[in-house]
Amino acid sequence: DVKVTQSSRYLVKRTGEKVFLECVQDMDHENMFWYRQDPGLGLRLIYFSYDVKMKEKGDIPEGYSVSREKKERFSLILESASTNQTSMYLCASSPGAGNTIYFGEGSWLTVV
Amino acid sequence: GNSVTQMEGPVTLSEEAFLTINCTYTATGYPSLFWYVQYPGEGLQLLLKATKADDKGSNKGFEATYRKETTSFHLEKGSVQVSDSAVYFCALSDLTGGYQKVTFGTGTKLQVIP
Repeated sequence: DVKVTQSSRYLVKRTGEKVFLECVQDMDHENMFWYRQDPGLGLRLIYFSYDVKMKEKGDIPEGYSVSREKKERFSLILESASTNQTSMYLCASSPGAGNTIYFGEGSWLTVV
Repeated sequence: GNSVTQMEGPVTLSEEAFLTINCTYTATGYPSLFWYVQYPGEGLQLLLKATKADDKGSNKGFEATYRKETTSFHLEKGSVQVSDSAVYFCALSDLTGGYQKVTFGTGTKLQVIP
């Protein structure tokens, strides 16, 4: 079975802190994604990556950056956390276009 | 661009009732279509998928048929159980600008009461 692991399930951070959310997949997938999920808004794509060191902006990249130094690992970075970034963050991976994307269990981030 | 529209919830059904959750899409290419399920506090899990027109995806008693003529992928189950209570997301995956792009609906919350 494909496994996508998000290192932190629950985090509480202060406004202005730098936040790292880590994601690892074990299936050698090319594509990796970061979404945020908010009530009434569904899933919104923040960034995605189709290869090591490659990244593309999604629909809501402002306030976020990403890093993919190794194929299995995709990190989401909040350079200076703000309260409006309180949300559930979902990492996902996929072998390629048209294929199933597999999700991690999510990271609940609260910024106070 | 691509879009997915699914019926708003919440949907409340009694156990053993018939379930339909409507999903329609717009896409410029030939997308693959998916239903995902999210249980409270968890990530999304693939429920079923269909990759071409007239394909039927099925899993755990749920079914959905890829209808190109009506651009729909409605989710159905003949007899729901309390354990089916969750949020259901319709999604499509397409190649856009050379990259895989996945578009989700806003989700439909299902509550099944005994």
